[in-house]
Amino acid sequence: DAGITQSPRYKITETGRQVTLMCHQTWSHSYMFWYRQDLGHGLRLIYYSAAADITDKGEVPDGYVVSRSKTENFPLTLESATRSQTSVYFCASSRVDEQFFGPGTRLTVL
Amino acid sequence: AQSVTQPDIHITVSEGASLELRCNYSYGATPYLFWYVQSPGQGLQLLLKYFSGDTLVQGIKGFEAEFKRSQSSFNLRKPSVHWSDAAEYFCAVVSNFGNEKLTFGTGTRLTIIP
Repeated sequence: DAGITQSPRYKITETGRQVTLMCHQTWSHSYMFWYRQDLGHGLRLIYYSAAADITDKGEVPDGYVVSRSKTENFPLTLESATRSQTSVYFCASSRVDEQFFGPGTRLTVL
Repeated sequence: AQSVTQPDIHITVSEGASLELRCNYSYGATPYLFWYVQSPGQGLQLLLKYFSGDTLVQGIKGFEAEFKRSQSSFNLRKPSVHWSDAAEYFCAVVSNFGNEKLTFGTGTRLTIIP
C-alpha cells in the first residue's frame, strides 16, 4: 500500500536502553522528517533528511540519531533512552507543497 | 527564525455554530502557511495551505482560511461545525522550500458540544 508507515506503533522501554523507531514511505519523496509531540509544545522537529545520506538537526536533536541509507527509510534511534523522551513520535515525508505524516509511535520510557 | 502562535489552547463550540481558530506567525518575508488537523490517536492531515495569490483559501471538510499580511494572521474558519470536527488543529509555516522544514504552533483543541 502506498503511504507512510511507522513501527512499532507502541513501545515501552526502560531508561538506558537503545530504541529504534522505523519509518517507511512509498512515494520516493526526497525529504523526510522526525517530530516529537508533547503536550503544550505542539510538534517539534528532531531531525530531517533532504535525500539519502543527507541528514540535519532540527530543533530538539539531543539524544537522537538518524540514518538514511535508502530514500524510503528513515529510522530514528534513541541511543540511551531517558524518561524525558517519553513522547509520541511522528515521521513525515514531503513533496514540494505538502508534508504527509505517519500514524505515530507512542514511546514510554520507564 | 519564524514562529507560529496559536493563542487558544482549547475551544468549545456547539454543533452547527461557526468556528474561527486563530493563528499568528512571525516571519519577515511572505510565508508559506498551512493548517493541519489531528484526530485522536491519528497522524496529521493537511486541511489547506497558502502560498500566494488569493488570500482566502479553501480546504477540505468545508474549512477555509484567510491570510492577512497586515495582521500576520492566518485564521481558520468553518461556518457550521459538525461533531466529527472535534480534533486538534495545528497551524504551521515554512520559510522556504529550500529545506521544507515546518514550524508548528502549539495547537488548538476543539471540542464540539451537542
